[in-house]
Amino acid sequence: GENVEQHPSTLSVQEGDSAVIKCTYSDSASNYFPWYKQELGKRPQLIIDIRSNVGEKKDQRIAVTLNKTAKHFSLHITETQPEDSAVYFCAASTSDSGGYNKLIFGAGTRLAVHP
Amino acid sequence: GAVVSQHPSWVICKSGTSVKIECRSLDFQATTMFWYRQFPKQSLMLMATSNEGSKATYEQGVEKDKFLINHASLTLSTLTVTSAHPEDSSFYICSASPLRNTEAFFGQGTRLTVV
Repeated sequence: GENVEQHPSTLSVQEGDSAVIKCTYSDSASNYFPWYKQELGKRPQLIIDIRSNVGEKKDQRIAVTLNKTAKHFSLHITETQPEDSAVYFCAASTSDSGGYNKLIFGAGTRLAVHP
Repeated sequence: GAVVSQHPSWVICKSGTSVKIECRSLDFQATTMFWYRQFPKQSLMLMATSNEGSKATYEQGVEKDKFLINHASLTLSTLTVTSAHPEDSSFYICSASPLRNTEAFFGQGTRLTVV
């Protein structure tokens, strides 16, 4: 089955700096890669996603890149702010659920943005 | 966005008892829902795929007789933790998508504590 690895596990940056989180996946048939932000005790919130037919997607300060050949994708946050502090999870959606997103998650990255 | 609601948000039960958690899609029909478990400071681990009108599909290592899933209607899936033990204490969370190949929406999660 699918396996998703995520690095780093913790990331500490100064406000205004950029943050990059990287993930790799194992199943070449995976075709959807969302990124979630989760605050303590809360549900994961989708921040950006990318499909396998696209190499890059950007939404204001957040961007995601996908390299299908290498089977890795990355999250880039620019101009970080203290409110970006949270745990970020990457995920890959397997293709064996009739098109519904059966997500396999990475281990998570705890991002701390210091003022 | 679509709304997925879980009940209860938290529950404390005694060892050996059973606990039922509900996951509802409030503004769309969901033929497929997913159940995840999240231990403190860990990632979301997929437990099972809940299919309306048919048996759930469990991930490897998840005991189907311990975690009973019933998806009796297009808007409701239930997870029953049977004969709960302290090691079952965790954050249980469900997800569903309104349409194939669209964003997965998460319930707010249920924090289960077994004493």
